[in-house]
Amino acid sequence: NAGVTQTPKFQVLKTGQSMTLQCAQDMNHNSMYWYRQDPGMGLRLIYYSASEGTTDKGEVPNGYNVSRLNKREFSLRLESAAPSQTSVYFCASRIIQGNNQPQHFGDGTRLSIL
Amino acid sequence: AQTVTQSQPEMSVQEAETVTLSCTYDTSENNYYLFWYKQPPSRQMILVIRQEAYKQQNATENRFSVNFQKAAKSFSLKISDSQLGDTAMYFCAFMKPVTYNNNDMRFGAGTRLTVKP
Repeated sequence: NAGVTQTPKFQVLKTGQSMTLQCAQDMNHNSMYWYRQDPGMGLRLIYYSASEGTTDKGEVPNGYNVSRLNKREFSLRLESAAPSQTSVYFCASRIIQGNNQPQHFGDGTRLSIL
Repeated sequence: AQTVTQSQPEMSVQEAETVTLSCTYDTSENNYYLFWYKQPPSRQMILVIRQEAYKQQNATENRFSVNFQKAAKSFSLKISDSQLGDTAMYFCAFMKPVTYNNNDMRFGAGTRLTVKP
């Protein structure tokens, strides 16, 4: 059972380039999330999708766009990458049945912007 | 907005000993959920333990247990009989009850735990 799959695992970009991070889950989860992880700051929510067809901004949405392509897939796009977006990006998903169900995470994408 | 504070950026413990990681949170909610996640060097985020605020009994999972103090808004993690494989970053997380707009989870900054042989 793959769980949450993120691609790519590593990427180096130049300032101004664009890129899409892919995320797919095979657990039939309703909600999906994109976080960034920076040293000393934990995980911060960029965007989330409560259900197929909806997306909403999180804590740090500037410079990013998302697409909930279908129930399984939720992509994150950087239109014009900036060095401040160098980070580790995590995708997560969750089923909305039972209030205590935690989020399940992918293995992360390490993104460096030069 | 809910905030989660982990006041110990780094900790270390000798193998086989016990260590406690601290977490406090701020919320006006009465019902909510708390989690500890472990992130080893492999970078995976692994759920360690969860606690429902309406339950008075502290959660336990094998060598991991929590001390949940609702009035103090404190949620500490105790690791007993520490093992080398427990070396990781540990994140405390707070989650509101489910709503349709499901923007509900906040993470602390993390505590880096090193288990020494």
